[in-house]
Amino acid sequence: AQKITQTQPGMFVQEKEAVTLDCTYDTSDPSYGLFWYKQPSSGEMIFLIYQGSYDQQNATEGRYSLNFQKARKSANLVISASQLGDSAMYFCAMRELLGGQNFVFGPGTRLSVLP
Amino acid sequence: EAQVTQNPRYLITVTGKKLTVTCSQNMNHEYMSWYRQDPGLGLRQIYYSMNVEVTDKGDVPEGYKVSRKEKRNFPLILESPSPNQTSLYFCASRAGTGGLNTEAFFGQGTRLTVV
Repeated sequence: AQKITQTQPGMFVQEKEAVTLDCTYDTSDPSYGLFWYKQPSSGEMIFLIYQGSYDQQNATEGRYSLNFQKARKSANLVISASQLGDSAMYFCAMRELLGGQNFVFGPGTRLSVLP
Repeated sequence: EAQVTQNPRYLITVTGKKLTVTCSQNMNHEYMSWYRQDPGLGLRQIYYSMNVEVTDKGDVPEGYKVSRKEKRNFPLILESPSPNQTSLYFCASRAGTGGLNTEAFFGQGTRLTVV
């Protein structure tokens, strides 16, 4: 079964608008971490934001915030005030403490920001 | 500068011709891993290593070998490449100790084409 699901293969957003990229996960481990990575067309993996399973508050990093709904097992990425440079692939990933802390990645969402 | 270096960045080869993709990190990290990225599947782990001389299979190890003779290097070996190993490959490293939020560093990626 898929541990990380990203149901939006592609998304469009107008420049300066906010956009939400969906991510749901599946785990029975009470200790886990959720990550979002950005992959621009150049190919490198850029870390954006982290949320721990015991964190009480939603993580924020600049224009990025993570909407963490633990009971629903969802960890959506919200990008505020989209910029053209935000056009990229976005991957949601999880590491489980009992799973050796190996990354499990979702299939990704390709975001295109329109001028 | 802390970095993970993969070589080569691009490689086109023929079926059956053995090849090695090198990965080196300069952060004295214990943990290193290899992933392949395919459209619609995200990144999937091939092999990982918790320390020198310790390697384990990830989710898609068939057709690949690795070795960890030194802490800094973790080469990926394809003994007899086949076209279904055409993919984008990433090496990553992180400290072996620390929590779930321990930062992982990714290499620039190696785009392999097997014809």
